[in-house]
Amino acid sequence: ETGVTQSPTHLIKTRGQQVTLRCSSQSGHNTVSWYQQALGQGPQFIFQYYREEENGRGNFPPRFSGLQFPNYSSELNVNALELDDSALYLCASSPGTSTYNEQFFGPGTRLTVL
Amino acid sequence: TQLLEQSPQFLSIQEGENLTVYCNSSSVFSSLQWYRQEPGEGPVLLVTVVTGGEVKKLKRLTFQFGDARKDSSLHITAAQPGDTGLYLCAGAAYSGAGSYQLTFGKGTKLSVIP
Repeated sequence: ETGVTQSPTHLIKTRGQQVTLRCSSQSGHNTVSWYQQALGQGPQFIFQYYREEENGRGNFPPRFSGLQFPNYSSELNVNALELDDSALYLCASSPGTSTYNEQFFGPGTRLTVL
Repeated sequence: TQLLEQSPQFLSIQEGENLTVYCNSSSVFSSLQWYRQEPGEGPVLLVTVVTGGEVKKLKRLTFQFGDARKDSSLHITAAQPGDTGLYLCAGAAYSGAGSYQLTFGKGTKLSVIP
């Protein structure tokens, strides 16, 4: 069974650029959630995708957008990058949307905005 | 906005000592999860507690969910250097459209000195 994978592992961008981060969910999982973890903080919920539809969103501006594909892999897109977007971006997959469904996290993508 | 306050933020103890980490909120959660995160990796789920007053044990780790489902604690007995890491609590709350959103605390960074 393959776990959650994310790419790239590290990324450096400049302010104003756009970035796309990718996530492959664990086999059999149809739900993907994205989180932003700033240095010294806990992860903050960005949004969740269930069967290719956005299924919940945290307090992030519209320049944070996402997609989920038929194989349940997912992308996080961030437009007009700001310095404060520098963080570890985590993807987590789960077999459903219930509160009892465990979330399995990938290793994250470390984004640095200069 | 639901908030989870974790304390202490940092903890440095000698091998063999006991410790307790607290997670408090003014909000009620459907379930509460505890994760451990190593540097450069995503969080790994340790336990999910669902019922008010529930106690779960995982070897030397004891997790408790408060009766009102607003707070939780993690107690480690006879800490070992391998317990070193960032411990995160996360509360699940219904966010509509059949989905549950996880709110994370800022984490407790534990160092166990041999």
